[in-house]
Amino acid sequence: GAVVSQHPSWVICKSGTSVKIECRSLDFQATTMFWYRQFPKQSLMLMATSNEGSKATYEQGVEKDKFLINHASLTLSTLTVTSAHPEDSSFYICSAPTQLAGDETQYFGPGTRLLVL
Amino acid sequence: AQSVTQLDSHVSVSEGTPVLLRCNYSSSYSPSLFWYVQHPNKGLQLLLKYTSAATLVKGINGFEAEFKKSETSFHLTKPSAHMSDAAEYFCVVSYTGGGNKLTFGTGTQLKVEL
Repeated sequence: GAVVSQHPSWVICKSGTSVKIECRSLDFQATTMFWYRQFPKQSLMLMATSNEGSKATYEQGVEKDKFLINHASLTLSTLTVTSAHPEDSSFYICSAPTQLAGDETQYFGPGTRLLVL
Repeated sequence: AQSVTQLDSHVSVSEGTPVLLRCNYSSSYSPSLFWYVQHPNKGLQLLLKYTSAATLVKGINGFEAEFKKSETSFHLTKPSAHMSDAAEYFCVVSYTGGGNKLTFGTGTQLKVEL
């Protein structure tokens, strides 16, 4: 099956620093990728849609200047949490659809645990 | 608009007994429906999917789900639970033309006891 990777798997940083999370589709190309945030014991919340070669589309209530998304190639999207604060601590997950005709299946990365001190 | 309701936030079963995780959906269009499983501190793994073919869908690890349009349901079942099935399960819906956006249910925590 399709594989999506994320790096790093966990990161601890000081308040005020920026953190970059990578999402890669390893064996398929993805013109679109999605970024989610998950709080403990809760469901996934869609943050934004990452579009290769164009601007990301953010969901209502998500600060685009806070969560910078870049989709530089057909296999890589990055999420940068700028000037991170403790309230940004969370589990961040990306996903990518294989975009096969008629197939809506999305494959998820293993997630990145962010802890801001 | 589309939505997903997982009727039980927690389900507890004994090992070897059947599992039933309930899911109802609402979608204005022909939906695609998925069940994903998430083990602690892990990403989501696809269990099975329905995309307008056979209404009874078989997935991995012995799970299956039946799409019932009249009941707008897509319940997940397994004949015999195993300890390794303990995890969080998400019912998810999307629809063709929806830009691949997924709508998640709130999740069901499955506990398997000896």
